[in-house]
Amino acid sequence: DGGITQSPKYLFRKEGQNVTLSCEQNLNHDAMYWYRQDPGQGLRLIYYSQIVNDFQKGDIAEGYSVSREKKESFPLTVTSAQKNPTAFYLCASSITSGVVTDTQYFGPGTRLTVL
Amino acid sequence: AQKVTQAQTEISVVEKEDVTLDCVYETRDTTYYLFWYKQPPSGELVFLIRRNSFDEQNEISGRYSWNFQKSTSSFNFTITASQVVDSAVYFCALSENSSNTGKLIFGQGTTLQVKP
Repeated sequence: DGGITQSPKYLFRKEGQNVTLSCEQNLNHDAMYWYRQDPGQGLRLIYYSQIVNDFQKGDIAEGYSVSREKKESFPLTVTSAQKNPTAFYLCASSITSGVVTDTQYFGPGTRLTVL
Repeated sequence: AQKVTQAQTEISVVEKEDVTLDCVYETRDTTYYLFWYKQPPSGELVFLIRRNSFDEQNEISGRYSWNFQKSTSSFNFTITASQVVDSAVYFCALSENSSNTGKLIFGQGTTLQVKP
């Protein structure tokens, strides 16, 4: 089945620890995105990547890092510098993100809780 | 500045009622795209519709319909004969073509509860 997978579904982290969220897609999409969702709010863009080995900061990139070494994978690291990391994290992908805005399809999400 | 407003935070209806979810957007672009997504309790966002700024035709898909009016910068979503399975959070989103990033700007979401 084609789709986007995120793991783990739930993640608990102690303060001061870095943690990496996985996002994999087998849709052959060029573009991938990470969003953060807080309770009662819409999604906000953290990072995006339009092509392998390239990525750009979104609106709330501070305290996060990403890599895009393979087309199908776009992991997100939540670092200790992120002051309020408890949230629901959603990964998305689209065919391209160039001239025409393609539809983004989302993974099931990872719920991160900092203890 | 680009912005999406979903003024209805929560809506509660009884099954079989019709319900309309409002979405108002702001953009300076002439080319843009509007989306609706459904977020059931499981959390995953499910794509419902994508509409570009040059296509103002209303669209119907089963019990779902969308009304796009550029004159009022609105892209409203109506569910006819609602069902309990329609209970979810619904997001309206905007993407401006000039950004060349595909970035989605989301509204706050409307929580729809359909009671049996």
